[in-house]
Amino acid sequence: TAGITQAPTSQILAAGRSMTLRCTQDMRHNAMYWYRQDLGLGLRLIHYSNTAGTTGKGEVPDGYSVSRANTDDFPLTLASAVPSQTSVYFCASSGTGGDTQYFGPGTRLTVL
Amino acid sequence: DAKTTQPTSMDCAEGRAANLPCNHSTISGNEYVYWYRQIHSQGPQYIIHGLKNNETNEMASLIITEDRKSSTLILPHATLRDTAVYYCIVRVRDWGGSEKLVFGKGTKLTVNP
Repeated sequence: TAGITQAPTSQILAAGRSMTLRCTQDMRHNAMYWYRQDLGLGLRLIHYSNTAGTTGKGEVPDGYSVSRANTDDFPLTLASAVPSQTSVYFCASSGTGGDTQYFGPGTRLTVL
Repeated sequence: DAKTTQPTSMDCAEGRAANLPCNHSTISGNEYVYWYRQIHSQGPQYIIHGLKNNETNEMASLIITEDRKSSTLILPHATLRDTAVYYCIVRVRDWGGSEKLVFGKGTKLTVNP
């Protein structure tokens, strides 16, 4: 079982360009999440999805959008990247009933 | 805002027990205490959680004080691979929806040979 995979592993992006970070899980978890982690800080929730077809805003949603067309995939899109979005992005998932979260390996994004 | 207070860093000798404290003085009756850890450059990893009773699993033990205002994560025999940032998180288990974790800055545990 792969668990959660993220792609790409890392990316350098010019400011103003768009990009989609991919996240796929094979555990049939209903809930999925996107976090960002900046140097010296803990993880901050960007967006989440309780189940396929629904999404919600986290602590720092501005500049990001998500979709949840099916159970397995939860892509995160930056429509017009800015340097402050330079960060490490983690995707996570959890089952129903408030189960624990399982995290992917992360995507390191640098916006220049 | 994180509802927990943890020391910024701690050191432990390899093979000894590592005791990581966490204060959560404003915890409410239906909030659980969760512990995650993050090894350098990896995604966070779940360790253990509890409500009011002490808990033990293959990774660690969790001791929660009777008033629930603080807890201690115990790694009984720390190894070099336990070097990581340890996050203590309190939250309500949302049985009908998703689990929105609020991470603080955690404790950087360094296990020394």
